[in-house]
Amino acid sequence: ETGVTQSPTHLIKTRGQQVTLRCSSQSGHNTVSWYQQALGQGPQFIFQYYREEENGRGNFPPRFSGLQFPNYSSELNVNALELDDSALYLCASSLKAGGNEKLFFGSGTQLSVL
Amino acid sequence: GEDVEQSLFLSVREGDSSVINCTYTDSSSTYLYWYKQEPGAGLQLLTYIFSNMDMKQDQRLTVLLNKKDKHLSLRIADTQTGDSAIYFCAVLNYGGSQGNLIFGKGTKLSVKP
Repeated sequence: ETGVTQSPTHLIKTRGQQVTLRCSSQSGHNTVSWYQQALGQGPQFIFQYYREEENGRGNFPPRFSGLQFPNYSSELNVNALELDDSALYLCASSLKAGGNEKLFFGSGTQLSVL
Repeated sequence: GEDVEQSLFLSVREGDSSVINCTYTDSSSTYLYWYKQEPGAGLQLLTYIFSNMDMKQDQRLTVLLNKKDKHLSLRIADTQTGDSAIYFCAVLNYGGSQGNLIFGKGTKLSVKP
């Protein structure tokens, strides 16, 4: 158990809809990163939030957006869903202290877009 | 950009040693990680190594790093059926932001009794 919880565990949406995924960080962690894992692939970095600000972004379009709250929990929002957005979305929390950044992952939200 | 490559499958017998290999392209990578993913689950951090080290041992796990060849390996001694999972190699990419790990596609380890 990593102490990182994600909700919901599964979600089915249709193309064009919007979705919000939620993540609670491990106690004491101040940073949240979001990853997308397509079937048979490794996770790909979407973005990271540190102290409620976006702190880096991968190669994902602006319709992927996020928030981090004062209690360090986080949301990932995806607008105008496309079929290719179907994937496992993983949240990871960490303590930003310079150098080694050990990420602890939640179990993920499986999103299916029909 | 950084690229991380792994072989996709490995099959071993229970009790044997497993060696999972990984190569990466960015020589400035400072931290390298091994994660384990079981079916329907998130990623579990197994171990990591700093780039100024050649080897790190943690119980049944041994990580070897050949920085010259940009090659990382994970050895699991006395492999058990419970070790069956997908193993991901990941490197920390400072080109973007901290926390930006670049993952390989994963090696599926099957352990036969």
